Parts: sequence; structure tokens; C-alpha cells
Amino acid sequence: GQSLEQPSEVTAVEGAIVQINCTYQTSGFYGLSWYQQHDGGAPTFLSYNGLDGLEETGRFSSFLSRSDSYGYLLLQELQMKDSASYFCAVRDEGGFKTIFGAGTRLFVKA
Amino acid sequence: DADVTQTPRNRITKTGKRIMLECSQTKGHDRMYWYRQDPGLGLRLIYYSFDVKDINKGEISDGYSVSRQAQAKFSLSLESAIPNQTALYFCATSDEYNEQFFGPGTRLTVL
Repeated sequence: GQSLEQPSEVTAVEGAIVQINCTYQTSGFYGLSWYQQHDGGAPTFLSYNGLDGLEETGRFSSFLSRSDSYGYLLLQELQMKDSASYFCAVRDEGGFKTIFGAGTRLFVKA
Repeated sequence: DADVTQTPRNRITKTGKRIMLECSQTKGHDRMYWYRQDPGLGLRLIYYSFDVKDINKGEISDGYSVSRQAQAKFSLSLESAIPNQTALYFCATSDEYNEQFFGPGTRLTVL
């Protein structure tokens, strides 16, 4: 079957670093993406990893290890506005479908 | 103006009614998707379309149908709504690469 696993909740303090992990099991693999969703809002794209390694975009970085079927999203210098849900997503079946994880709710405390 | 729009934004209906949710995009993308979001379950794919003549079922297509009227328009229908279809519905578009652009969502309640 196809599944993505990520923690349901993570709490961190403002200014800290937090890592959100994602493990996946899919019938095909065409890359791992991360999306952010604030309460009441739509998901917005954060990053994509097609190959192993680290991708950095400002305060956010994303890592992929295809041999381990594992990736993570790293958020640095946390700000209150980073409080949101974060979803990992895998492109599957020839790259035509995207399967989303259940999401990780990040709470940033002052 | 928003690149992906959805109408209505909120809808309350009764069991057995037919409902249509509409999605329009101005991004010029060929690929369009309908997702359903329930608390704790993330986003689940209902249908996707890669062009006007190409419609595909996703993970949870039972009880739903779609119509791709044009490159820019993709509608989702619930032929006979039932309470467990109460959810937040998102339309999304993408080009041949990886980023999906989501509409603002439609909150549907079936009583």
C-alpha cells in the first residue's frame, strides 16, 4: 500500500530549530514535497526534493534519503508565524498522482 | 486576483441533494486536481485531470464525479450528498513540475 508517516504534533519555542520527519512507502517515487497550511488557509508549496540531499530555501531546508524512504523539513529561527500544519507529499505512479501525509501541526511558543 | 478560485466558499446542504463545486484557474496549467481534507487525514485525492479529455480517479472517487469543461475549469459533483462527505474541498493546479497551487477551499456541510 501507499502511506506517508509524519508526527501529528510538534512544539518548539521561538528562535529555535525544529525538524519534521516523514517516512514513505509508495508504489513509485518521483520526489518528496513539503507544503505549509495555516488555519483556515490553503496549502502552499515550500520545497521539493527529487534527489538525495539537502535543499535550502531561506530559513527552511528539506532533506531526502531515497534509500531510507525518508525525508525531513528543517525550520530554523522559528517565528510565531511558522505555527501551522506541514504536509509531506510524494509524487507516485509515474509522477501523475500526489499522495499527502496526514500533516504535522507545529506550535511555536514565545 | 487569485490564480485559483473556488465557488462556493461555504455550502450547507441536505442528504440526497446534488451539489456542484466549481474551480477556475488563470495560471494556464493543464493539470487540475480535487482533494478532500478531513481533520487528521491530510489531503486525499478525489479526481485529477491532465487535459480536457483526460480524467482519472484518485484515492476516494466513490460518490463523486467531475467535469473538465475547459482547460481553466474543473467541477466536482456530489450526485447525492451524504453526511460523511462533510469536509473541506480543495482544487489545485500544476504544470508538469512539482508545485501545486491550491484554491481557497470550499467548506461543505451535509446535514
